[in-house]
Amino acid sequence: GAVVSQHPSRVICKSGTSVKIECRSLDFQATTMFWYRQFPKQSLMLMATSNEGSKATYEQGVEKDKFLINHASLTLSTLTVTSAHPEDSSFYICSAIHWRYGYTFGSGTRLTVV
Amino acid sequence: GIQVEQSPPDLILQEGANSTLRCNFSDSVNNLQWFHQNPWGQLINLFYIPSGTKQNGRLSATTVATERYSLLYISSSQTTDSGVYFCAAIQGAQKLVFGQGTRLTINP
Repeated sequence: GAVVSQHPSRVICKSGTSVKIECRSLDFQATTMFWYRQFPKQSLMLMATSNEGSKATYEQGVEKDKFLINHASLTLSTLTVTSAHPEDSSFYICSAIHWRYGYTFGSGTRLTVV
Repeated sequence: GIQVEQSPPDLILQEGANSTLRCNFSDSVNNLQWFHQNPWGQLINLFYIPSGTKQNGRLSATTVATERYSLLYISSSQTTDSGVYFCAAIQGAQKLVFGQGTRLTINP
């Protein structure tokens, strides 16, 4: 089956610092990846669509200068939370589409900003 | 945009019971998927089901696209079935729109 690897699984950082989250498709190529945010006991909200070799498409209300997305290869997309604040604490999940298995999700990154 | 509503929001059952989870969507969709999110946050793709019925072991799903709803059936529930079940609709541009989920708790 399709595997999407996401790292780190958990990170704690200080306010004002930046954090990078990696999302890799291990056994398939993904020209498009998606980044979601999930607050406790809530659903997943799409933040942005990451496109290999071009700029990401952000959903309304998501600050593109705060959540930097880079999709430099067909197997890697990164999300950098810049100048993190406690309200950015959340569970971040990436996904990619496999031609046979459909949407496949990474295991998520739990970010805590202190 | 499309709205996706799930019911019930919470469901508590004893091991061995059967359950039906419902997903309504407000507009025609390209496709619909069901996911299970385990207690550690991992999302598992259960069904990719634009219409008709599919079965995988104790789980089955039915989507009636003309009436804009989908049902997920879980038979002979096990404690490992606990977690949150999401349905998500796909409407253009490959974007998934998630429902609010059904939190299922299976007690031994």
